[in-house]
Amino acid sequence: AQKITQTQPGMFVQEKEAVTLDCTYDTSDQSYGLFWYKQPSSGEMIFLIYQGSYDEQNATEGRYSLNFQKARKSANLVISASQLGDSAMYFCAMRGAGGTSYGKLTFGQGTILTVHP
Amino acid sequence: EPEVTQTPSHQVTQMGQEVILRCVPISNHLYFYWYRQILGQKVEFLVSFYNNEISEKSEIFDDQFSVERPDGSNFTLKIRSTKLEDSAMYFCASSERPSGSSYNEQFFGPGTRLTVL
Repeated sequence: AQKITQTQPGMFVQEKEAVTLDCTYDTSDQSYGLFWYKQPSSGEMIFLIYQGSYDEQNATEGRYSLNFQKARKSANLVISASQLGDSAMYFCAMRGAGGTSYGKLTFGQGTILTVHP
Repeated sequence: EPEVTQTPSHQVTQMGQEVILRCVPISNHLYFYWYRQILGQKVEFLVSFYNNEISEKSEIFDDQFSVERPDGSNFTLKIRSTKLEDSAMYFCASSERPSGSSYNEQFFGPGTRLTVL
């Protein structure tokens, strides 16, 4: 079974500062994918960034980067230069590989990020 | 840019009534998913669907739930006899492939908020 843990229910950051949102995972799969989604107050799920378990480089997408430490089973999201529009719920999710797993995502509990002006 | 659409955006129903939530996945996608999110909680997998049959389902997806792809474009979730605890946001998602590739994003629809009174 796969498990995602986000231990920070809420985080606060000053505008223009960087913030790290924590995510640890547990899986017995050798191949897996890790995702981060943003959920603003409007409710939609917005894909931010993806990291494959065999990717040697940490993923980056604009202001988002993923600090992937495979041995520690962590996949922390780093948001640089925070903006007021970054205030939202952030979910870490995992997708297993092959076998009977047809791509379902397992989500963590989420972290509410509040960006202060 | 192609997107997943869901209708209705909000559905209010009486306990015991049947509801059908509709989704139109991205046209060249082959794998379809339903997730739900009870207010303030994490997103939970319900079911995945491929090649006109359920490929995986969670323990939440009991006999009250069913899915169908009636016409090659729509993908529906039916709840036969709604309960108060079915009140949640229901997300449809689709992807080209489930896993096994280094990158395969699951595109989420905007969600249907179901309220059971």
